[in-house]
Amino acid sequence: AQSVTQLDSHVSVSEGTPVLLRCNYSSSYSPSLFWYVQHPNKGLQLLLKYTSAATLVKGINGFEAEFKKSETSFHLTKPSAHMSDAAEYFCVVSGAGTALIFGKGTTLSVSS
Amino acid sequence: DVKVTQSSRYLVKRTGEKVFLECVQDMDHENMFWYRQDPGLGLRLIYFSYDVKMKEKGDIPEGYSVSREKKERFSLILESASTNQTSMYLCASRTMGTSGEQFFGPGTRLTVL
Repeated sequence: AQSVTQLDSHVSVSEGTPVLLRCNYSSSYSPSLFWYVQHPNKGLQLLLKYTSAATLVKGINGFEAEFKKSETSFHLTKPSAHMSDAAEYFCVVSGAGTALIFGKGTTLSVSS
Repeated sequence: DVKVTQSSRYLVKRTGEKVFLECVQDMDHENMFWYRQDPGLGLRLIYFSYDVKMKEKGDIPEGYSVSREKKERFSLILESASTNQTSMYLCASRTMGTSGEQFFGPGTRLTVL
């Protein structure tokens, strides 16, 4: 069975500092992994996805994530936070059949 | 530009009412999904449909049913709304295959009084 754990429910950073949102997954086969972002009162938007190609995946808005099979991790990073990055972020793993399994979310706060 | 639309952004209903939430996608996707989103719980899958007239239960189907008569439209039905169904409901669609991106609608915030 697949599952995903986001290790932090809330992360606070200052503008211009690096962002790290942590995600561990469990999967009985080679998974597809995603990060989605949800800004307040907006729909979910795909940031990036891993589908067994390159282990370092680049997404939109300067975000990237590295798939580490040995650590079963798929952490999301950004070198320099911007105020507009404040949002909720979801780590997602593909489940059996066609369903996606969502983590519980990490709220990112960015202060000036 | 791909689009998933939901019939209402905000909805207020009374306990015991029958509630219909509609979702329409314009991407000719085979798969469609209904989730509910609650603080601290992430998104939980209610039902999904992999083709017209096909449906599968998700993780929390109790108290809900669905209908998919046309490929572009997927309806979520609350047969008798209860207060514990107050939530944000999100619809999504995807083309076939487990690695495909899901596209989400803006959500319907349902309040049951």
